[in-house]
Amino acid sequence: KAGVTQTPRYLIKTRGQQVTLSCSPISGHRSVSWYQQTPGQGLQFLFEYFSETQRNKGNFPGRFSGRQFSNSRSEMNVSTLELGDSALYLCASSFYLGNTEAFFGQGTRLTVV
Amino acid sequence: EDKVVQSPLSLVVHEGDTVTLNCSYEVTNFRSLLWYKQEKKAPTFLFMLTSSGIEKKSGRLSSILDKKELFSILNITATQTGDSAVYLCAVKGGSNYKLTFGKGTLLTVNP
Repeated sequence: KAGVTQTPRYLIKTRGQQVTLSCSPISGHRSVSWYQQTPGQGLQFLFEYFSETQRNKGNFPGRFSGRQFSNSRSEMNVSTLELGDSALYLCASSFYLGNTEAFFGQGTRLTVV
Repeated sequence: EDKVVQSPLSLVVHEGDTVTLNCSYEVTNFRSLLWYKQEKKAPTFLFMLTSSGIEKKSGRLSSILDKKELFSILNITATQTGDSAVYLCAVKGGSNYKLTFGKGTLLTVNP
């Protein structure tokens, strides 16, 4: 059974640009969450999608947005990139929105220069 | 605001030692507590705890939850160099089962 797949694995962008990251959950999983991980702040929750609807949202500016498709794949978009957006972006998939394990992908390392 | 605090932040031990990692939380409407191990990139799932006092065990790792005192511990016995990693504690809470992470404990096991 394939795990959570995130693409691309690495990305370098310049300030002001926008970026789209992709996450394909484990087959059968319908919930996808996104996290930003930096050395100083640890893992911070961005948002969670279930059945194509955003169910939870963290404390990030509106430049961070996401969506989920009918096949449960999710994308995250960051517009007007800032240097501080450089981080490892992780997504996790769960079978459903509830008390169930969440499994992580390998992440996308975004560097903003 | 939901909060998860892990201690210690870092720990250095020798192979064969036993370690205990701590996780305390303040979360509205607690649902479950999860432990992860992060070596390079993807955190890998270790345990999910929902009930107090019931130990979960996997090989040399074990964990227990105390819902009255709002904490959990992760024990690793007979540590090996391969146990070196960041151990993350996360708590699901609220009506939408939002997952809140602690900052992690960096464990270094020296040969």
